[in-house]
Amino acid sequence: QSVLTQPPSASGTPGQRVTISCSGTRSNIGSNTVNWYQQFPGAAPKLLIYSNYQRPSGVPDRFSGSTSGTSAYLAISGLQSEDEADYHCAGWDDDVNGQVFGGGTTLTVL
Amino acid sequence: VQLEQSGAEVKKPGESLRISCKGSGYRFSNFWISWLRQKPGKGLEWMARIDPSDSNTAYNPSFQGHVTISADKSTSTAYLQWTSLRASDTAIYYCATHTGSRGWYEEWGGQGTLVTVSS
Repeated sequence: QSVLTQPPSASGTPGQRVTISCSGTRSNIGSNTVNWYQQFPGAAPKLLIYSNYQRPSGVPDRFSGSTSGTSAYLAISGLQSEDEADYHCAGWDDDVNGQVFGGGTTLTVL
Repeated sequence: VQLEQSGAEVKKPGESLRISCKGSGYRFSNFWISWLRQKPGKGLEWMARIDPSDSNTAYNPSFQGHVTISADKSTSTAYLQWTSLRASDTAIYYCATHTGSRGWYEEWGGQGTLVTVSS
């Protein structure tokens, strides 16, 4: 069972906006920043969002991150078929003294 | 920055194993390296991290005592070692670099290392 809670699946049609949630506690999201990773089948995860909302170079601005209290959100606007992937949230946990993750959300573009 | 991980392994319960992660394209001592586990169809779990500059380490309590992380600056290689594998260790293992002990995972090792433990 993962420390952070994500919905196992999400879906949308091309062009739509989809939001994936990530719920935590005071020891992680409530007091530390959140990062998001994108993972395609058979590949290693790739950093998508860091420090709640920052995008690494090369990540389209269709991807955005936000937080509120002990929850974090990844929004994907203008959904494209190539966005079909697993999305993982993560963040520092003061009790674990390390990064904790959600169980991942599989995004399907219908 | 590139991280090259060792190949897939098939082991029996109780056997020992060491997998590796070789860094290139950057100064190895400049970034921490963590090992992460992903069981089939499941999420990611942070296992352990090391600062190659001084071999300072930290472990997830869930993995403490079962695995050992190490690094060799001379070969720019980090390792994850088990002395007694269990069937429940079957998973893909990734190494990843991060800036500072609390940083996000910036670069990941290829496709990871698949470890299968079965009698």
